[in-house]
Amino acid sequence: EDQVTQSPEALRLQEGESSSLNCSYTVSGLRGLFWYRQDPGKGPEFLFTLYSAGEEKEKERLKATLTKKESFLHITAPKPEDSATYLCAVQGSGNTPLVFGKGTRLSVIA
Amino acid sequence: ETGVTQTPRHLVMGMTNKKSLKCEQHLGHNAMYWYKQSAKKPLELMFVYNFKEQTENNSVPSRFSPECPNSSHLFLHLHTLQPEDSALYLCASSRGTGAASSYEQYFGPGTRLTVT
Repeated sequence: EDQVTQSPEALRLQEGESSSLNCSYTVSGLRGLFWYRQDPGKGPEFLFTLYSAGEEKEKERLKATLTKKESFLHITAPKPEDSATYLCAVQGSGNTPLVFGKGTRLSVIA
Repeated sequence: ETGVTQTPRHLVMGMTNKKSLKCEQHLGHNAMYWYKQSAKKPLELMFVYNFKEQTENNSVPSRFSPECPNSSHLFLHLHTLQPEDSALYLCASSRGTGAASSYEQYFGPGTRLTVT
């Protein structure tokens, strides 16, 4: 059974204090790993797809990396507007649906 | 309208009521999804439709009844719900359900459902 575990559950940062969020996964045949951002009361917003170990993608202050067992979402010099819950999901082989983690709730304090 | 829209945004219903949630996607996608999001839990997939055909029913109770008349519209019909069904119901769409690149899902804003 595909599984996704995100840590920490919650993270509080000062503005400008860089950090990383972790997404550990077990899946039979990874087809894709997805990162989403979710603001309170809204639907998740797609950020990145990573397909294979070693791949990296960047968007503004966010950088996602992937190994065979985990993915990191690095946040460089975060701003208060980066405060949100970040969700990780994986798709395994065989057309299986996405499996989501519980998310990391990030708070960036000015 | 752009992206994925959902109506209503908020819904309060009694346990004996019947109501429907509506989702519309303006992205030209072929697959649509219903998810349930409860506090402290991961997103729970409920139903998947691909080219209007249901391809996934994740053991959802029959008090939830989906309908997909075309690739752009998705409904979730609700009847005799329980208080534990209170949650945020999210609709999503994607190009398809095959390769990961076509699996990138785009979500609507959700309907906050409260069952009293």
